[in-house]
Amino acid sequence: DAGVIQSPRHEVTEMGQEVTLRCKPISGHDYLFWYRQTMMRGLELLIYFNNNVPIDDSGMPEDRFSAKMPNASFSTLKIQPSEPRDSAVYFCASSPSTGAAYGYTFGSGTRLTVV
Amino acid sequence: GQNIDQPTEMTATEGAIVQINCTYQTSGFNGLFWYQQHAGEAPTFLSYNVLDGLEEKGRFSSFLSRSKGYSYLLLKELQMKDSASYLCAVRITSSGNTPLVFGKGTRLSVIA
Repeated sequence: DAGVIQSPRHEVTEMGQEVTLRCKPISGHDYLFWYRQTMMRGLELLIYFNNNVPIDDSGMPEDRFSAKMPNASFSTLKIQPSEPRDSAVYFCASSPSTGAAYGYTFGSGTRLTVV
Repeated sequence: GQNIDQPTEMTATEGAIVQINCTYQTSGFNGLFWYQQHAGEAPTFLSYNVLDGLEEKGRFSSFLSRSKGYSYLLLKELQMKDSASYLCAVRITSSGNTPLVFGKGTRLSVIA
């Protein structure tokens, strides 16, 4: 299995522009999580899906952020308009619903820089 | 709110043993996880504890005391490649595969 695949790996954009981050979870994993990591705040949960349905989006910072999962193999996180404080590493992770540990598999992340 | 505390940084010598502590105060508890994260890379799963006691996996062991809200990760025979951040995470609820709440991580430097 190729693991969780995220694109792009790096994104540099100007303030006010729209940014779209992409994630392909591991086949058969029915949970998908979007996290953001910064030095100050660590890993913070933004939103998660179960069977393509958003379950909890209370971590989404504000209306500028939106996430979709149109099918079991693809999810997007969109920021519109982007701001410098959105600069962070964004991780997508997936997990199966069976198994005692329910550990996550993380993608390689997207390092976003908003200038 | 949920509170998970770990030391920010630690330094240890190659070949030695190091213990990384984690304390948590959360609204619920259904398992504690440790992840390793090398600089610029994704976190990778190391261990899982849901009952009190020690879980051993090769050079790595993890301990949990639920009554004390305390866990530690023990790394033996340290190698240079163990230099990384170690993240403690707690699953708060027992209903399904609910998300993990992460501590900010402990950056471990292994020196010769």
